[in-house]
Amino acid sequence: AQKITQTQPGMFVQEKEAVTLDCTYDTSDPSYGLFWYKQPSSGEMIFLIYQGSYDQQNATEGRYSLNFQKARKSANLVISASQLGDSAMYFCAIEKDSNYQLIWGAGTKLIIKP
Amino acid sequence: GAVVSQHPSRVICKSGTSVKIECRSLDFQATTMFWYRQFPKQSLMLMATSNEGSKATYEQGVEKDKFLINHASLTLSTLTVTSAHPEDSSFYICSASRTGLNQPQHFGDGTRLSIL
Repeated sequence: AQKITQTQPGMFVQEKEAVTLDCTYDTSDPSYGLFWYKQPSSGEMIFLIYQGSYDQQNATEGRYSLNFQKARKSANLVISASQLGDSAMYFCAIEKDSNYQLIWGAGTKLIIKP
Repeated sequence: GAVVSQHPSRVICKSGTSVKIECRSLDFQATTMFWYRQFPKQSLMLMATSNEGSKATYEQGVEKDKFLINHASLTLSTLTVTSAHPEDSSFYICSASRTGLNQPQHFGDGTRLSIL
């Protein structure tokens, strides 16, 4: 069975600094996908970035990049030049191949300080 | 990008009322949609997988007679909370993805349900 672990319940980061949000996973599937979502206080879930297990390069989307270390089973999200609007909950998720369901981590609450 | 619309965004009603929440994929067809429930400061809890043209698949512990799901078309799934009680108060959010593995799920904006 798949499992996602986010060990940081909360983080405070100074504006404009880079921040790394940790995510480790466990799966026996040879092929899988990893996702990061952002949830602001308003509640909507915003898709940020995706990493496929067979992708040769780490995924990047604007200020978001994924530090994917397959052997360590980690997929940390890196946000460069953080902004006040980055304050939100961040969830890491892994997809179940059998039925497209996502297995979610507990989330990390990120607060950007001015 | 893909857009999922969820309506209504906020419901406040009396105990015993049934509440219907709609989830629409606006620019793609979704054979599968997911319904989640989220308690404050917690992660998403999958309630059920909604399958177009067939019965929904409910997660363990979710009452299918309490939470009725209908997925009548490729762009619309509905969740009806029947005879809602205060303990049903929560944040409900749906998602849909294009067919195929490793497609990101796109979420509606969620529905905050408060049962008085």
